[in-house]
Formats: sequence, C-alpha cells, structure tokens
Amino acid sequence: QVQLVQSGAEVKKPGASMKVSCKASGYTFTDYFMHWVRQAPGQGLEWMGWINPSSGGANYAQKFQGWVTMTRNTFISTAYLELNNLRSDDTAMYYCVRDVQGDMDVWGQGTTVTVSS
Amino acid sequence: QSALTQPASVSGSPGQSITISCTGTSSDVGGYNYVSWYQQHPGRAPKLMIYDVSDRPSGVSNRFSGSKSGSTASLTISGLQAEDEADYYCISYTSSSTYVFGTGTKVTVL
Repeated sequence: QVQLVQSGAEVKKPGASMKVSCKASGYTFTDYFMHWVRQAPGQGLEWMGWINPSSGGANYAQKFQGWVTMTRNTFISTAYLELNNLRSDDTAMYYCVRDVQGDMDVWGQGTTVTVSS
Repeated sequence: QSALTQPASVSGSPGQSITISCTGTSSDVGGYNYVSWYQQHPGRAPKLMIYDVSDRPSGVSNRFSGSKSGSTASLTISGLQAEDEADYYCISYTSSSTYVFGTGTKVTVL
C-alpha cells in the first residue's frame, strides 16, 4: 500500500539546521508532487511548500523562502525538508504529504522537531 | 499569503447539521475550484474529506458535503455524530501556485 515513512524526532538548538526525510513506497515516487506541512503544538496546519520529485523543482510559501529547501533522491524514493536558522517557534510536527491532482491524499506519520536551548 | 478565515469553533447536537465557512480572496478560494477540507482528530494526521470544492473521496461518508460561493467555501456535516468531533481545516490553491490553509475550526458535538 501507499506509505510515507518519515525520519525520527529531532531536538535542535536555536540557530541550527534540521533535515527531515520522507521515504515513499507503494507507488512511483516521481509521478506525484510532495507537499510539506507543519503544525506547531496546539496550532493549525501551515503549508510550507511542494516539490516535483521528477524534476526537483520546488515552490515555497512566501514565509519560508530563503530559509527552506526541499530536495529529493529518486534512487531511494525519498524527499527531504531542510530548514535553516531554527527558532523556538519552529518547534512543530512536520508532515510530508503526497499530492494527487492538487489534493493531499496520503500523509506521513509526522516528525517532531523541538527547538530549545 | 494570509491564512483563510474559519470560525474558531462550531457546535451542534447529534443528528443536527452544521456548516463551517472558509473565507479567502479572489486570489485563492474565489479564483479556483481547488478547495479541500481535512478532518483532524487529536494526535492524528489530517484526513481528506472533500476535494475540488464538493467532491468526496471514496470511503468518506455522504454526510459531508462542500460548496462555494464567491470567495467563501463551506463544509456541511449533516446528521452530526460523536465521531465527527474534531478539528477541520480548509485549504485552497492560490494564484502564486502555492497553497494556503484555513485557520481551523473545532467542531464540538454537544
């Protein structure tokens, strides 16, 4: 079955960088865009951006431009989210989500990132 | 891009119908028929309930329906059940080829 398995929880210090991975299985990785969505504790969902795994092209929400990078490795069907210069308000659950014609149908289990000194 | 506006909370008794609004602009909700709705129970990943304004994925109860008028989309839950108690989020495609979520609505079944 279609599955997205994300990397484990991370604890980072302010100013550090993070890199979360999302391994896809059960479908052709390059056939579907991948979104990244985050949710701070007790807060709503926030769309961060998406990547075309086939071309590697990405489009980011304006808020994240300049400090987020979405990449992929097609050989291992894995998408990556990198966020630089972390702050305490980047503490959140980060999800990768498969796109099907503009809709997010399959979600990863989420990766908790805690930013604390 | 500002978040789409949803009411913070909506409540109803079992069996009743409730409607959640999602207000944007002509650059997002009003400009495209690409509005989706997600249900999220505590500690769980969101689940797609409605896509393309009013279409339901297979397996989603027909008690859930969506519509749009101008720059406001709506999700209606009819025959409210205890299991419907959750947070609901709308999301829309935008003119920048990006997406924006709504602020989220907590649905309480009285």
